[in-house]
Amino acid sequence: DTGVSQDPRHKITKRGQNVTFRCDPISEHNRLYWYRQTLGQGPEFLTYFQNEAQLEKSRLLSDRFSAERPKGSFSTLEIQRTEQGDSAMYLCASSPREGTEAFFGQGTRLTVV
Amino acid sequence: KQEVTQIPAALSVPEGENLVLNCSFTDSAIYNLQWFRQDPGKGLTSLLLIQSSQREQTSGRLNASLDKSSGRSTLYIAASQPGDSATYLCAVVGFNTNAGKSTFGDGTTLTVKP
Repeated sequence: DTGVSQDPRHKITKRGQNVTFRCDPISEHNRLYWYRQTLGQGPEFLTYFQNEAQLEKSRLLSDRFSAERPKGSFSTLEIQRTEQGDSAMYLCASSPREGTEAFFGQGTRLTVV
Repeated sequence: KQEVTQIPAALSVPEGENLVLNCSFTDSAIYNLQWFRQDPGKGLTSLLLIQSSQREQTSGRLNASLDKSSGRSTLYIAASQPGDSATYLCAVVGFNTNAGKSTFGDGTTLTVKP
């Protein structure tokens, strides 16, 4: 296993378009997290899955954002009607259980023009 | 609400110097504290994880300490090299949440000059 994988690495989209990102966690990690990072800031928590159940969502996750993890393996994060303020690095992380080391992917950099 | 602060925001040192990066957090009820490295435009690479019951962890030239009661952690880098130039982030996982999510500081950007 080569770690947490995110696709695509970069995405440029026009304002108003929908985008979808994918995250493949480390095998057998039942916890999966999405974070958003803007320039000069630390990552901010967006949402968390334990297996296929989405157990917590941040207030940062507006109605235009939706995340799924249909079979408890990979996850997708969709942003509808993108806005320029959505431009950021979207990071995915996984861990085997609560309180253990979190492993991060390389992120998807979104630019909304 | 947990808040994590990293000071300084930026640090520039000549090659070979030993240096210390600081991280403070407001809620001492934590599972662990993790230090990460981030290169420009890249994801996060885990450097060290300190469980709440531990006082320090070492990996190569890196040593991280944790003082939970005072809400502080330090990352010590010995004999710095230009390749150490990056942003260093600390993150805590709070005990008072079932999510195990991390709360991050904004990082310290380190530049090591040859």
